[in-house]
Amino acid sequence: KQEVTQIPAALSVPEGENLVLNCSFTDSAIYNLQWFRQDPGKGLTSLLLIQSSQREQTSGRLNASLDKSSGRSTLYIAASQPGDSATYLCAVINRRALTFGSGTRLQVQP
Amino acid sequence: GAGVSQSPSNKVTEKGKDVELRCDPISGHTALYWYRQRLGQGLEFLIYFQGNSAPDKSGLPSDRFSAERTGESVSTLTIQRTQQEDSAVYLCASSLARGQGADYEQYFGPGTRLTVT
Repeated sequence: KQEVTQIPAALSVPEGENLVLNCSFTDSAIYNLQWFRQDPGKGLTSLLLIQSSQREQTSGRLNASLDKSSGRSTLYIAASQPGDSATYLCAVINRRALTFGSGTRLQVQP
Repeated sequence: GAGVSQSPSNKVTEKGKDVELRCDPISGHTALYWYRQRLGQGLEFLIYFQGNSAPDKSGLPSDRFSAERTGESVSTLTIQRTQQEDSAVYLCASSLARGQGADYEQYFGPGTRLTVT
């Protein structure tokens, strides 16, 4: 059974800092890995998708890497802003559905 | 284009009543997924549809839960004889699911918040 772990569970940083969120998964036979953000009381917004054949994806200030053999992914956020405050979720697809980590709750202080 | 929509956005029901939750996926997306997120907990997979068929129902928590999809479009998640532990946000997602790779990116709706009193 796939298990996804995210650390840290919570993170508070001052505005402008670069930060790294970590995700690990136990079964490396994945199709894709997706990073989402979830704002309180709202649904999920897809940030980045990394296919199993890829090693990284970039979108604006976000960069996600994937090391499938070691079962790890990182989400790098450059020059953090208060608007980045949210819960960040990592999810992997084995066969059909996503298996989610428990998330990292990020607070960026102005 | 339009994203995934869900209705109702909020539902309060009494214990023992049946409820129906609706999901309208992105047009042309062949795969549809239901997830549940209880307060303070992570997202749990419930059921997956490819077309109108559900090859994976492994996440349904009990036989009180059922789902159907028609016309390779709208899906309904039904919970019979609701219990307080069914209180959660129910999220629906869809993906193109043709070919490989990026076609499996899942797009989520805003969710239905179900409260069982």
